[in-house]
Amino acid sequence: AQSVTQLDSQVPVFEEAPVELRCNYSSSVSVYLFWYVQYPNQGLQLLLKYLSGSTLVKGINGFEAEFNKSQTSFHLRKPSVHISDTAEYFCAVSVPLSGNTPLVFGKGTRLSVIA
Amino acid sequence: DAEITQSPRHKITETGRQVTLACHQTWNHNNMFWYRQDLGHGLRLIHYSYGVQDTNKGEVSDGYSVSRSNTEDLPLTLESAASSQTSVYFCASSPNRGFADTQYFGPGTRLTVL
Repeated sequence: AQSVTQLDSQVPVFEEAPVELRCNYSSSVSVYLFWYVQYPNQGLQLLLKYLSGSTLVKGINGFEAEFNKSQTSFHLRKPSVHISDTAEYFCAVSVPLSGNTPLVFGKGTRLSVIA
Repeated sequence: DAEITQSPRHKITETGRQVTLACHQTWNHNNMFWYRQDLGHGLRLIHYSYGVQDTNKGEVSDGYSVSRSNTEDLPLTLESAASSQTSVYFCASSPNRGFADTQYFGPGTRLTVL
């Protein structure tokens, strides 16, 4: 079965600094990969997703992620964070095989942006 | 605007009581999902549905049930609430059955079982 590992449970970073949130997945077949963001007291919303093609995916709010098949990773990056980026970020994987559950989430990374 | 709503937003109940959490979407999406969110566990899938009269068990389905009688609603029932079911519950929907689909989430219901 597919699984997702988010290597950092919490990431503090100063405002305007760059950030990378790490995500690794396990699957022996092709996957779809997603990053969702959850702002305080809200539901999740999609940041970006990788389905195929270019390994560099751009999302909303200046975030981007790079799919690396050999390292089974899908790390999320932003060159300069803002206070408003404080949120919890979830990596998720989908393995398109009959019988699989549609989406499996990692445990989340809490990003705290410090003024 | 189309949306997905959950009610109630907060609920306190006692052990052993039956509880139903409502989820309603106006996107006319075929697929609906229920997750629970717990610290240290992320989101875990409880049940999901690919259409009217279709329901499927997720990773943590014990103690929960769902029924899908129309496209818009997927209520989640806790048959006999337990303290271990204290959690934040999220409903989501997606338009197509494909694995590449984006899921759209409701605002969540915080359930406390005393």
